[in-house]
Amino acid sequence: DTEVTQTPKHLVMGMTNKKSLKCEQHMGHRAMYWYKQKAKKPPELMFVYSYEKLSINESVPSRFSPECPNSSLLNLHLHALQPEDSALYLCASSSRTSGGSDTQYFGPGTRLTVL
Amino acid sequence: DAKTTQPNSMESNEEEPVHLPCNHSTISGTDYIHWYRQLPSQGPEYVIHGLTSNVNNRMASLAIAEDRKSSTLILHRATLRDAAVYYCILRDKSSGSARQLTFGSGTQLTVLP
Repeated sequence: DTEVTQTPKHLVMGMTNKKSLKCEQHMGHRAMYWYKQKAKKPPELMFVYSYEKLSINESVPSRFSPECPNSSLLNLHLHALQPEDSALYLCASSSRTSGGSDTQYFGPGTRLTVL
Repeated sequence: DAKTTQPNSMESNEEEPVHLPCNHSTISGTDYIHWYRQLPSQGPEYVIHGLTSNVNNRMASLAIAEDRKSSTLILHRATLRDAAVYYCILRDKSSGSARQLTFGSGTQLTVLP
């Protein structure tokens, strides 16, 4: 099974709402990633988790809060978002936690709209 | 990671080969060359990667120039399902920790029936 699943597929939220995005993989991968992709742009990294510990935070605003409760699961908690945060949020995982030959497997993304 | 340069867009006819170029003139000796593609409304998908030698897999072939300053992704028979944005990405093999993919702007491939 080389699948990364993400839920929900679509999410519409107001600026005062709190919501969470969920990502799951059962490939035994120990590195997991959150990327953000605006329309017609390439994905940009938000966070990297390695062995369930946050290893990279690309200066993401605190209204985005990642969590890795176990090696298969990655969450992104959202609070007080702005309309400009509307984007496709992609989760990925990889088996290697170092080196340059690792392959990242991406989920289909959650399409987020902030009203 | 070193930078790559790709054409913004390319067109191909269905069932013909497609050669997608990538320039990476500042590549270092420890950089792997990776290709990913993103089909419409989907997450990126790994295609192939290599270090020095040409590589083949079920999806594509990767031809790497002798000086490694450029590479070409070859789709042997393009289908309509190959229409996607193709990203060429360099990754340092000496990296000691999990690191992100740094996506450039990629090449939008259009396949004509």
